[in-house]
Amino acid sequence: NAGVTQTPKFRVLKTGQSMTLLCAQDMNHEYMYWYRQDPGMGLRLIHYSVGEGTTAKGEVPDGYNVSRLKKQNFLLGLESAAPSQTSVYFCASRFGTSGRGNEQFFGPGTRLTVL
Amino acid sequence: AQSVTQPDIHITVSEGASLELRCNYSYGATPYLFWYVQSPGQGLQLLLKYFSGDTLVQGIKGFEAEFKRSQSSFNLRKPSVHWSDAAEYFCAVGHSTLTFGKGTMLLVSP
Repeated sequence: NAGVTQTPKFRVLKTGQSMTLLCAQDMNHEYMYWYRQDPGMGLRLIHYSVGEGTTAKGEVPDGYNVSRLKKQNFLLGLESAAPSQTSVYFCASRFGTSGRGNEQFFGPGTRLTVL
Repeated sequence: AQSVTQPDIHITVSEGASLELRCNYSYGATPYLFWYVQSPGQGLQLLLKYFSGDTLVQGIKGFEAEFKRSQSSFNLRKPSVHWSDAAEYFCAVGHSTLTFGKGTMLLVSP
């Protein structure tokens, strides 16, 4: 199993450009998440999905959109990138049943710089 | 609202010495609590978790944590630190979604 993979690993954008980050998991997880990590801020939840075709806003959703057309994929879009979106983006996934305190499994991250 | 506080931004420990990283949380119900570790340039790896039962939980790499409901704490401990333990450590609380602390950077001196 590859676990959680993210594409691309690095990207540099100019202000106003758009891009899509792809997250894929092969563990048949129901829940998927997008976070951003900034120095001294920990991880902050952008959007998440509790199943195919569903999405929900997290703590910092402005400027981002997401889609979950297939269970194994979760896409994060930036329609018009801004320098404030320079960050490291992490995707995570987990099983849907929470009775066992199921942990989130994280991808390796995408480092995005917006100039 | 749920929240996590990790009071120490940086901690330096001598190799072979014991370690305790502090985590305090705020949560309206019985919490699910997690400790993750992140090495530079890497994703997060789960060290251990608490969701019910025994309040002392064992994790990977010789780490353990104790859930203390009365103190709203979930401190991470290791009896003898190795140089390879140098990394950033995150405490998190939640069920469907997690709230993370801002992290504690562990430095290990020779």
